Amino acid sequence: GQQVMQIPQYQHVQEGEDFTTYCNSSTTLSNIQWYKQRPGGHPVFLIQLVKSGEVKKQKRLTFQFGEAKKNSSLHITATQTTDVGTYFCAGPRDAGNMLTFGGGTRLMVKP
Amino acid sequence: DAGVTQSPTHLIKTRGQQVTLRCSPKSGHDTVSWYQQALGQGPQFIFQYYEEEERQRGNFPDRFSGHQFPNYSSELHVNALLLGDSALYLCASSPGTSGGGTDTQYFGPGTRLTVL
Repeated sequence: GQQVMQIPQYQHVQEGEDFTTYCNSSTTLSNIQWYKQRPGGHPVFLIQLVKSGEVKKQKRLTFQFGEAKKNSSLHITATQTTDVGTYFCAGPRDAGNMLTFGGGTRLMVKP
Repeated sequence: DAGVTQSPTHLIKTRGQQVTLRCSPKSGHDTVSWYQQALGQGPQFIFQYYEEEERQRGNFPDRFSGHQFPNYSSELHVNALLLGDSALYLCASSPGTSGGGTDTQYFGPGTRLTVL
C-alpha cells in the first residue's frame, strides 16, 4: 500500500536558523497537504499543493511539490520559538478519498 | 462559527470494555473522518462518513465502528478494548465537495483514550 515517509524525525535548531523537512511518497500523489501540530494540540492545516513543481510561500514558510509529484518539502527561514511543533505531510491514499499521513518531523527551537 | 468539537476530552477504560467518542463537525461541513494518533506518530485513517454512510475505511478491525447522524455529527465506537487502542482519537470534518481526497481536513481537539 501507499506509504508516506518524512525525514528527519526530529530536528533541534537554534532560534534564527533555517529548517527543512522532506516528505516522500511511494506512489504519485494528486496533491499533498501540510499540517502543523503544536505540543498537546491537534493538526492544523497549513497548505495544499496540487501542481507538479509547485512552490508556495507563507511568510517564512516555503512549500515545494516535486516534479514527479512523489515528494515535497517544507522550509522555514529564520525559525522562531513559535515554530515549535510537529509538521506532517499527507497525501490522498491510492484512488480513495482519505489522507495518508507521514510520521511527522518534530521541530524544537532553542531560544 | 464553531469549529470541530469532540467529547469527551479524556477517557480511561480497562481492557475488554467498550467506548463511544463523539464529534460535531465544523458548520457547513457534511463529511466526517476519524483518525487514530498513537504517541509520536502521524494520524492513521480509521474511516470516513458521508450522508450517514461509511464511505471509506482504513486498515482497522471490525471492533471499530461508527455512525453519522442526519445533523452530520458522528460517533466512533470501539469494542473489546485492547491496551494498544490507547491513543489520541481525532475527528476531522471537510466540506466533502471533491470526495474527500483533496479536501482540507479540519481537526477537532481530540479525545485522549487510555486503556489500562
